[in-house]
Amino acid sequence: DAGVIQSPRHEVTEMGQEVTLRCKPISGHNSLFWYRQTMMRGLELLIYFNNNVPIDDSGMPEDRFSAKMPNASFSTLKIQPSEPRDSAVYFCASSLGQTSYEQYFGPGTRLTVT
Amino acid sequence: GNSVTQMEGPVTLSEEAFLTINCTYTATGYPSLFWYVQYPGEGLQLLLKATKADDKGSNKGFEATYRKETTSFHLEKGSVQVSDSAVYFCALRREGYGGSQGNLIFGKGTKLSVKP
Repeated sequence: DAGVIQSPRHEVTEMGQEVTLRCKPISGHNSLFWYRQTMMRGLELLIYFNNNVPIDDSGMPEDRFSAKMPNASFSTLKIQPSEPRDSAVYFCASSLGQTSYEQYFGPGTRLTVT
Repeated sequence: GNSVTQMEGPVTLSEEAFLTINCTYTATGYPSLFWYVQYPGEGLQLLLKATKADDKGSNKGFEATYRKETTSFHLEKGSVQVSDSAVYFCALRREGYGGSQGNLIFGKGTKLSVKP
């Protein structure tokens, strides 16, 4: 079975550019989570969706970050404009339910903003 | 608040050595506790979990016991292999809470390197 799919795996961009990260959750899962991983701050939850609806975006660092889930099989995390401090690994995870179920993580997107 | 503290790495061991990675937590209510593993270039995978005090989670030779009296969930393995080299994350989840209060809270991770 395909796991959580993320694209691209690596992204290098210049400061000020728009970046779009993509995620396809496991089929049948109805919750989707976006995380950011850095050396300094560890793994942080940015936002999560349940049944395509954003439930909590309190972890989104600022207005430059936005996330959408137009349907059950696709989500995007957009950064516009990007800054060097956004450099991190961004993970998408999905689960059968909001909190009581195991989360399955994608391989991550390593973003470098120069 | 709710938090997880785990020992800083990196931890470097020789093959067949005994492993302990310490994890302590602070939480209200009765959390479930987890260990996740992240192999190089991959996402996190659930390694083991325990949902109540004195439960022992185990998988692939790894074990951790939920100790409520010491608020700890230390990860152990009797004989590590080179293939165990990875980053290990301790996490908690507050049970009985919906929304964001019921989400996973991760420690910062401990990198383990096992040398042949």
